[in-house]
Order: sequence, then structure tokens, then C-alpha cells
Amino acid sequence: GNSVTQMEGPVTLSEEAFLTINCTYTATGYPSLFWYVQYPGEGLQLLLKATKADDKGSNKGFEATYRKETTSFHLEKGSVQVSDSAVYFCALSSGNTPLVFGKGTRLSVIA
Amino acid sequence: NAGVTQTPKFQVLKTGQSMTLQCAQDMNHEYMSWYRQDPGMGLRLIHYSVGAGITDQGEVPNGYNVSRSTTEDFPLRLLSAAPSQTSVYFCASRGGWGITDTQYFGPGTRLTVL
Repeated sequence: GNSVTQMEGPVTLSEEAFLTINCTYTATGYPSLFWYVQYPGEGLQLLLKATKADDKGSNKGFEATYRKETTSFHLEKGSVQVSDSAVYFCALSSGNTPLVFGKGTRLSVIA
Repeated sequence: NAGVTQTPKFQVLKTGQSMTLQCAQDMNHEYMSWYRQDPGMGLRLIHYSVGAGITDQGEVPNGYNVSRSTTEDFPLRLLSAAPSQTSVYFCASRGGWGITDTQYFGPGTRLTVL
């Protein structure tokens, strides 16, 4: 079946550091891939998405590239801010099924 | 637009009590889902619906019932609450099951079962 594996947290970085959160997937067919973000006390919000191989999703300085050959969708940001502290979820959509989520990675950015 | 709304925001129950978590969306979305979020477990799908009158089970359906009598509403019922159901519950909706469709989440209900 479909599944998403993302790196375990928590991840703690200093402000302006480079961020990578790894995400790999297993899916039938050609899924769409998503990153969602959950700020403290809130629901999940879509951060970015990519719908086909080699697509790059980007938003708020975050980027992720859909790599079919490595079945990966790693999240990156060049310079994190304290306001980026949140839990990040990788997810996939494949065919006629609900989204499948990874377990989430908690990011803490310290000033 | 209000998007996806959930009530209540917080709830404390005693073991064996029943309750209904409410979820509504005003985006005319056909697809709605319920997830629970537990520490270290990510989001796990409880039940989902592809339209009014149609529901199906997700990964962790035991102990929960759903119905979908209208497009807008998708309540989740706990018939006899257990401490294992202590969790944060999220409702979500989606315009279609197309793989590019974005899923929108409500703010969540934090449930504690004593």
C-alpha cells in the first residue's frame, strides 16, 4: 500500500540555518506529493505540493522537488526563522484514496 | 468563507460516555475525512466520505461512527468513550479525489477521556 516515511525529530536549528527534512514514499502509480505545516495549537495548512516528477513546489522560502528515481520529496529552506517552528508533515495522494501522511517532524528554531 | 469548522475545541469525557464531534465545511466539497493525531503517530485516518450518504472506514475506525446526511456536515460519534480515544481529532475536506486536490483541515478538537 501507500506509505510515507519522514525523518524523525525533533530538529533544533539556530536562526538562519539551512533546513532539510527528508521524506520518502511508496506508492502505486504516480502520486501527488504534499508538505503540510502545523503551527502550535492549530490545524494543518498546506505548505507546498508537486503533482508530477521533477516538479518543484515552493512557498514562503520552502522548496521540495519531486524525485521519482529516488521516491523522495525532501523539504528545504535556506535560512530558517523562529516563526518557522512547527510540525511538518509529508503526505501523498494516489488515485481515489484519502491522503496518507508521514508521522511528522517537529522543528524548533532558536534565536 | 469559514472553511472547515469543528466544535467543540476541547472536551473531557468519562469512560463510557458518548458524544459527537461536529464538523462542517462551506466549500461545497464532496470529500471529507476524520483523522486522529497522537504523539509520534502522525495523522491516522478514522473514517471518510466521498459524498452525502457514502462513508467508508479508514485505518483506525473501531469505536467511532460517522454519517453524512448533507454535503456540509460530517459528524464523528463516539458511542462509549475509552481512554485510548484521548487524542486530537481533525476533520478535513477536499474538493475532489483528484490527486492534485488540496485538503483543508479544521482547527481540531482536543478530547480527553478519563
